[in-house]
Amino acid sequence: QQQVKQSPQSLIVQKGGISIINCAYENTAFDYFPWYQQFPGKGPALLIAIRPDVSEKKEGRFTISFNKSAKQFSLHIMDSQPGDSATYFCAASGIGGSRLTFGEGTQLTVNP
Amino acid sequence: NAGVMQNPRHLVRRRGQEARLRCSPMKGHSHVYWYRQLPEEGLKFMVYLQKENIIDESGMPKERFSAEFPKEGPSILRIQQVVRGDSAAYFCASSPAQGLLNQPQHFGDGTRLSIL
Repeated sequence: QQQVKQSPQSLIVQKGGISIINCAYENTAFDYFPWYQQFPGKGPALLIAIRPDVSEKKEGRFTISFNKSAKQFSLHIMDSQPGDSATYFCAASGIGGSRLTFGEGTQLTVNP
Repeated sequence: NAGVMQNPRHLVRRRGQEARLRCSPMKGHSHVYWYRQLPEEGLKFMVYLQKENIIDESGMPKERFSAEFPKEGPSILRIQQVVRGDSAAYFCASSPAQGLLNQPQHFGDGTRLSIL
């Protein structure tokens, strides 16, 4: 019940295309859903986060879509660039600062 | 203006030795989290601490592992009598004091622990 399932494991898109990464969760107590970007040799960097009271949040080229009834959320990267090539992790946590439960990660490659 | 600082960045130990990993949270952050990342895997929660208190250690192995966050100084993750399976990247994250709404966790660049 604590798992967060992420797909796909790897993704290759062309420059300018849309990258879409999906996550699903079981624990209905989760109420905070961040996405992290990680480059090799670096720590995860917070990209964007959403709470379940909204269905979509957009920041620049990055958009989170959230479906509370289906217990699914996704990251869309518009106009993907080679510099976006990295590993992306979805995560979830409960109320009040509890630990993050991470998905297994998606390795994104954007070809020039 | 420094972010979360972890040291050392790389640590090599022989089986049976002790490993000490240090984490200084961002300025103004009073909550620290430790996560472990095995190769090609996601991050797994280990322990959550506030100053002088362990809040949640449910992800930490019962033996050989311990963590502290003293009133003064960095948080320390200590692994005694290391084994090959402890080889991983260990990440620390920090956040401001948490209320009803989650505060973002900001990560350091990790310590890569290798066991010979």
